[in-house]
Amino acid sequence: QSALTQPASVSGSPGQSITISCTGTSSDVGSYNLVSWYQQHPGKAPKLMIYEVTKRPSGVSNRFSGSKSGNTASLTISGLQAEDEADYYCCSYAGSSSLVFGGGTKLTVL
Amino acid sequence: QVQLVQSGAEVKKPGASVKVSCKASGYTFTGYYIHWVRQAPGQGLEWMGWINPNSGGTDYAQKFQGRVTMTRDTSINTAYMELSWLRSDDTAVYYCARASGTTAYYWGRGTLVTVSS
Repeated sequence: QSALTQPASVSGSPGQSITISCTGTSSDVGSYNLVSWYQQHPGKAPKLMIYEVTKRPSGVSNRFSGSKSGNTASLTISGLQAEDEADYYCCSYAGSSSLVFGGGTKLTVL
Repeated sequence: QVQLVQSGAEVKKPGASVKVSCKASGYTFTGYYIHWVRQAPGQGLEWMGWINPNSGGTDYAQKFQGRVTMTRDTSINTAYMELSWLRSDDTAVYYCARASGTTAYYWGRGTLVTVSS
């Protein structure tokens, strides 16, 4: 499978909202409500932020939300904070017991 | 609390094999799949496959079929990922993660594997 498509970078000022898109195909994102989002700070392991498109794990701020329309999933971060600066990866089930990640998006908080 | 402790960094020559371990604690090892994900330097995450610790059943990403083997030892709550015929582009940090279905909730700290002649 080909990697899901994410913008290489996005940026926003503290307090603003940003949205990161994750575009797949009808064989992955479009077919399953099994999209997750991971945050990764430099030198650290990824951290789960959103799963099954819209669900938030316990302990994750409600400033993080997820959605999906057709073959594109999105992660929205509202009320941007300095600590949100990180890389973000989407991941989708792609059928046949396989997963596929996006290429990653670097979020810069200005 | 859930912990996944991975083995230490490895340096291997091209053509060799590497076996990375992932010791689980804080939960019932056989109750959750283990994913393996790698990240080359400066690159994104790449899913390699998963293992069902209860049955030992595995699914591998097509890219790694024939080169990767995922196993587990339930007596010591440890999962293993062995990658053979190493090439320089296999240099990466290899992560294990505990999953519920397709979602990786808990991650190990990663194991750096360097392939160099």
